[in-house]
Amino acid sequence: KNQVEQSPQSLIILEGKNCTLQCNYTVSPFSNLRWYKQDTGRGPVSLTIMTFSENTKSNGRYTATLDADTKQSSLHITASQLSDSASYICVVPSYGGSQGNLIFGKGTKLSVKP
Amino acid sequence: EAQVTQNPRYLITVTGKKLTVTCSQNMNHEYMSWYRQDPGLGLRQIYYSMNVEVTDKGDVPEGYKVSRKEKRNFPLILESPSPNQTSLYFCASSWAGSYEQYFGPGTRLTVT
Repeated sequence: KNQVEQSPQSLIILEGKNCTLQCNYTVSPFSNLRWYKQDTGRGPVSLTIMTFSENTKSNGRYTATLDADTKQSSLHITASQLSDSASYICVVPSYGGSQGNLIFGKGTKLSVKP
Repeated sequence: EAQVTQNPRYLITVTGKKLTVTCSQNMNHEYMSWYRQDPGLGLRQIYYSMNVEVTDKGDVPEGYKVSRKEKRNFPLILESPSPNQTSLYFCASSWAGSYEQYFGPGTRLTVT
């Protein structure tokens, strides 16, 4: 069964600290994986999208990694800010293409405290 | 401004009373999709559309209908809402073949 699992479920860190969020997937065939940030009560916003051939991609203080062999991805946040408090969602298309049926992880809820 | 809009943003209704949630995008995107988000379950895809007059079921289509008569609009129809359809609903759109979806602001629906 195609699944996307994220860990931890929730995370509390102090402002300025780094953190890493994990995403494991069993979706096959695989073509790409996306990370979204969702502020409470708002729509998700794309952070980064990684294709099969990419290992690392950065977007400011966000760095995503992908290991297609072990079917794992991580999102590393550097020097966290209060505005990073949000849910981070990992998404993988289930038919190997860019669209079609999407499998969403349940997200990691990050709280950054002053 | 490029955006996806949804209306209404909040809706409280009663069981069995038909309702429609509208979704419109101004980016000329071919692909549009509806999701529901429930605590502990994450986002689940209801229906999606690859282009005008082309729609397909997602993970949880039961109790919902959609139509895509125009490229910019993708309404979600609940013919006979039930309390288990109480949820936060999101519409999203993207270009065909694109890896990035743009989400609307969400519609919080309560069915009593």
